[in-house]
Amino acid sequence: RKEVEQDPGPFNVPEGATVAFNCTYSNSASQSFFWYRQDCRKEPKLLMSVYSSGNEDGRFTAQLNRASQYISLLIRDSKLSDSATYLCVVNSRGRRALTFGSGTRLQVQP
Amino acid sequence: GAVVSQHPSRVICKSGTSVKIECRSLDFQATTMFWYRQFPKQSLMLMATSNEGSKATYEQGVEKDKFLINHASLTLSTLTVTSAHPEDSSFYICSARALDSTDTQYFGPGTRLTVL
Repeated sequence: RKEVEQDPGPFNVPEGATVAFNCTYSNSASQSFFWYRQDCRKEPKLLMSVYSSGNEDGRFTAQLNRASQYISLLIRDSKLSDSATYLCVVNSRGRRALTFGSGTRLQVQP
Repeated sequence: GAVVSQHPSRVICKSGTSVKIECRSLDFQATTMFWYRQFPKQSLMLMATSNEGSKATYEQGVEKDKFLINHASLTLSTLTVTSAHPEDSSFYICSARALDSTDTQYFGPGTRLTVL
């Protein structure tokens, strides 16, 4: 079983739609959680950290459910520029490197 | 935000040659740098953790004699792919963690290696 699992998609949504991605992680010792965005043939860029209390950054809302070991990302009012692959990323206690999910591809259409 | 550079951004080489990729933290010091590899439509996979002044720690299945890592200073780590083969063709990405960092890592722009 992969340590971080995501639905690969693609999610094809019209502009203005709300879309949600989920991610599950298997290591209960995980302590830090992130969403990264990766555009085609580019490096990943940090979108936001994810906290147990939930956090929001503009149109993006991230939630963490430690009991169920899943993380979500909600994007409201999708823009064409949101088209990318969204990576769920976890950092486990005692391990300095990040563990990446395989990513969920989003395609926002006009 | 902090900046990490990689050089070269793209390299094409013949099978059997060696390729060196540099990763630099431009405006901060990094005791730890990480090297990842990403094949098409797959996730980033950690290859090794590079520690300044000491030997790198390699992930299971990554040959340390094939992927030579040197972290000679707090701002530079290099990855050398020795005797490259076509199956080594991939996107190699480094990241750096600042000295005073929590868990934030800053990624370089990646190096696309094609071995003919």
